[in-house]
Amino acid sequence: AQSVTQPDIHITVSEGASLELRCNYSYGATPYLFWYVQSPGQGLQLLLKYFSGDTLVQGIKGFEAEFKRSQSSFNLRKPSVHWSDAAEYFCAVGSPSGNTPLVFGKGTRLSVIA
Amino acid sequence: KAGVTQTPRYLIKTRGQQVTLSCSPISGHRSVSWYQQTPGQGLQFLFEYFSETQRNKGNFPGRFSGRQFSNSRSEMNVSTLELGDSALYLCASSLNGRASTDTQYFGPGTRLTVL
Repeated sequence: AQSVTQPDIHITVSEGASLELRCNYSYGATPYLFWYVQSPGQGLQLLLKYFSGDTLVQGIKGFEAEFKRSQSSFNLRKPSVHWSDAAEYFCAVGSPSGNTPLVFGKGTRLSVIA
Repeated sequence: KAGVTQTPRYLIKTRGQQVTLSCSPISGHRSVSWYQQTPGQGLQFLFEYFSETQRNKGNFPGRFSGRQFSNSRSEMNVSTLELGDSALYLCASSLNGRASTDTQYFGPGTRLTVL
């Protein structure tokens, strides 16, 4: 069964600074990989997803993620963080067969300071 | 197009009671999934439905059940509530695909508190 690890529970960055959120997955083949964001009191919103093709994926709100098969990682990046990016970020892994459910990491809470 | 709606948004129940939560997917979406979100366990998968059929079920006790109607609306039921069932219950819909591969659109959730 697949699994996801987000090593950082909480990250604080200054507005305008760059951001990288880490995600490591465990799966036998190439999985579907997702990043979702959850603002306080809201449901989750998809930022980007990857299955095949270019390993650098562009998403909404200026986010991008890079799939590195050798490291089993799918880290999320943003060159310049805005105060409105403060939220909880979830990495998720899914099997291409669809026979097992999507598995989410425990999330990383991002705080943005002035 | 309206998003995923969940009712009620907040619910307070006592131990031993039962509760029914409702989810209306985005118009045209045929797949609905449910998740339980708690601070300790994070997001855990409950069920996935497609065209009224349960496609996947998470590792939850039989007190948790669900169903999907012909109009794709879905309900989940929790019987004999326990304190540990206090959580945010999220519903997500997707167009046709599987929850593990398709983009899911989440509702705002139902916050259940069990006293």
